[in-house]
Amino acid sequence: KQEVTQIPAALSVPEGENLVLNCSFTDSAIYNLQWFRQDPGKGLTSLLLIQSSQREQTSGRLNASLDKSSGRSTLYIAASQPGDSATYLCAVKSSGGYNKLIFGAGTRLAVHP
Amino acid sequence: DADVTQTPRNRITKTGKRIMLECSQTKGHDRMYWYRQDPGLGLRLIYYSFDVKDINKGEISDGYSVSRQAQAKFSLSLESAIPNQTALYFCATSDSFGGVRETQYFGPGTRLLVL
Repeated sequence: KQEVTQIPAALSVPEGENLVLNCSFTDSAIYNLQWFRQDPGKGLTSLLLIQSSQREQTSGRLNASLDKSSGRSTLYIAASQPGDSATYLCAVKSSGGYNKLIFGAGTRLAVHP
Repeated sequence: DADVTQTPRNRITKTGKRIMLECSQTKGHDRMYWYRQDPGLGLRLIYYSFDVKDINKGEISDGYSVSRQAQAKFSLSLESAIPNQTALYFCATSDSFGGVRETQYFGPGTRLLVL
């Protein structure tokens, strides 16, 4: 059974810091991995999707990497801003099945001025 | 206007009551999903539907039922609400033609409190 773990559960950093959020999964047979952002009252928004054949994806100040063999992904946020404050969720889609996403519990990020 | 809408946004009900949460989408997607989120836990899949005639149970379907009234509408019902169904509920949609880049689009959530 696929399990997804995110560390740390919460993180508070000063504005301008570069930071790394971690995601690990137990079954390497995945179709893709996604990072979502969750804002209160606004649902989830997909930030980056990494296909199983890819090693990383970048969007602006965000970079996500994937190492299937070790069951790990990282989300790197450069030059953090207060507007980055949110909960970040990692989700994997296992191969060989329907479009079922298995989510981690998330990392709650606070960036203070 | 939002592509995926959920009503109500907040609901307080009593144990034993029947309630319905509704989801509508204007994205034209064929796939729809219901999740619940509890503090400290990730989202867990309750039910999913790949088209109007295809409805499937997710990992935590006990105590819930769904109805896919049209391609754009997917409702979740709690036949007899209990306190441990207190949670944040999300509806999501996806496009089966997305292939390896298929992702899900989420509504804003419904916060449910069962007393």
